[in-house]
Amino acid sequence: DAKTTQPTSMDCAEGRAANLPCNHSTISGNEYVYWYRQIHSQGPQYIIHGLKNNETNEMASLIITEDRKSSTLILPHATLRDTAVYYCIVRGYRNQFYFGTGTSLTVIP
Amino acid sequence: GAVVSQHPSRVICKSGTSVKIECRSLDFQATTMFWYRQFPKQSLMLMATSNEGSKATYEQGVEKDKFLINHASLTLSTLTVTSAHPEDSSFYICSARDPQGAYNEQFFGPGTRLTVL
Repeated sequence: DAKTTQPTSMDCAEGRAANLPCNHSTISGNEYVYWYRQIHSQGPQYIIHGLKNNETNEMASLIITEDRKSSTLILPHATLRDTAVYYCIVRGYRNQFYFGTGTSLTVIP
Repeated sequence: GAVVSQHPSRVICKSGTSVKIECRSLDFQATTMFWYRQFPKQSLMLMATSNEGSKATYEQGVEKDKFLINHASLTLSTLTVTSAHPEDSSFYICSARDPQGAYNEQFFGPGTRLTVL
């Protein structure tokens, strides 16, 4: 079962930072948080993941709270191509992913 | 990142027939693959975990006799939907985990759109 909750939808102006929150209050100490996104009718695309430290890569930044009960994905300069459904996932003990409802991000010109 | 392919991308079949979907890891060996189903405007639902050389592990509520999974090699897993019915129409997506990878992320295939008439 999904262990994350996210807002259903968000809008962001093109060129601005998109901040997508995720709540994972029941996360265990050794469970990682992964972020994926899915553009319509395609397979999900890996974005970033983390355990307890903040992470940054060429796509995004991940901020994890100190108590690890929530995190925020940051797309620093959103473009129209970033319009997608973003999923925050806590990896299970058998490496399985249970997807929550995700956040539908719309980048507005 | 690593590449996972699926075949076919789309399939239309008659009710009562069986359909096989292939999932391949193209540039890495995957000891574990996963199968998901996604209905329109809904999230991905994990159906089963496919382990190379052993029986698949099915999620609660997924009929193992209806959704047959075979993971015969380190690069290929197949999902067979047996005696398909219109309610089985869905988007089926597989993913594979690279055990040699640094991050344990799953790489997803492009999905297979199944329509049962």
